[in-house]
Amino acid sequence: QEKVQQSPESLIVPEGAMSSLNCTFSNSASQSIWWYQQHPGKGPEALISIFSNGNKKEGRLTVYLNRASLHVSLHIRDSQPSDSAVYLCAVGNNRIFFGDGTQLVVKP
Amino acid sequence: NAGVIQTPRHKVTGKGQEATLWCEPISGHSAVFWYRQTIVQGLEFLTYFRNQAPIDDSGMPKERFSAQMPNQSHSTLKIQSTQPQDSAVYLCASSRDRSSAETLYFGSGTRLTVL
Repeated sequence: QEKVQQSPESLIVPEGAMSSLNCTFSNSASQSIWWYQQHPGKGPEALISIFSNGNKKEGRLTVYLNRASLHVSLHIRDSQPSDSAVYLCAVGNNRIFFGDGTQLVVKP
Repeated sequence: NAGVIQTPRHKVTGKGQEATLWCEPISGHSAVFWYRQTIVQGLEFLTYFRNQAPIDDSGMPKERFSAQMPNQSHSTLKIQSTQPQDSAVYLCASSRDRSSAETLYFGSGTRLTVL
């Protein structure tokens, strides 16, 4: 069973700052690695995925994957109050395992 | 596209009663997943279907939980003899296919409260 751990549990940043979230997983053979965003009362929504070592950039989001160290990170440039949410790291193949999330608060 | 639709949004049952939760996946999606979310356990996988066939139910508590997908437009999760520890948000998700790495599209969930 895949084990997914996220840090920090919570993160408070000022508007305009960079937000950095971390995730470690236990199985280097896991094919799919995703970041999801969840707002209160809603289901998770996929933000960005990465499958190969290296980095991937989409808009204000950049994700870095290092399979050797079983680590993936998400960086949100120019964080906005609307980015305030729980961010979930998801890893797996057919069965996807989720971490417990990082609560991000962006203060105006 | 209305997204994944889950009904009801909230359900309150007494201990020992039955609860049935409904999910309508996105039209054209062939894989349907059920997850349970609590503060303590986070997001836990329960079961999934591909093309209406049950593929993996390894996350389902064995005795009181069952899931079905009688047709491609809906799936149900039934909990018999509900217990207070079943209280959680139950989330349904669908994806185009599960043979490759596809995005999961989640509904807003059903919040089950067992008194």
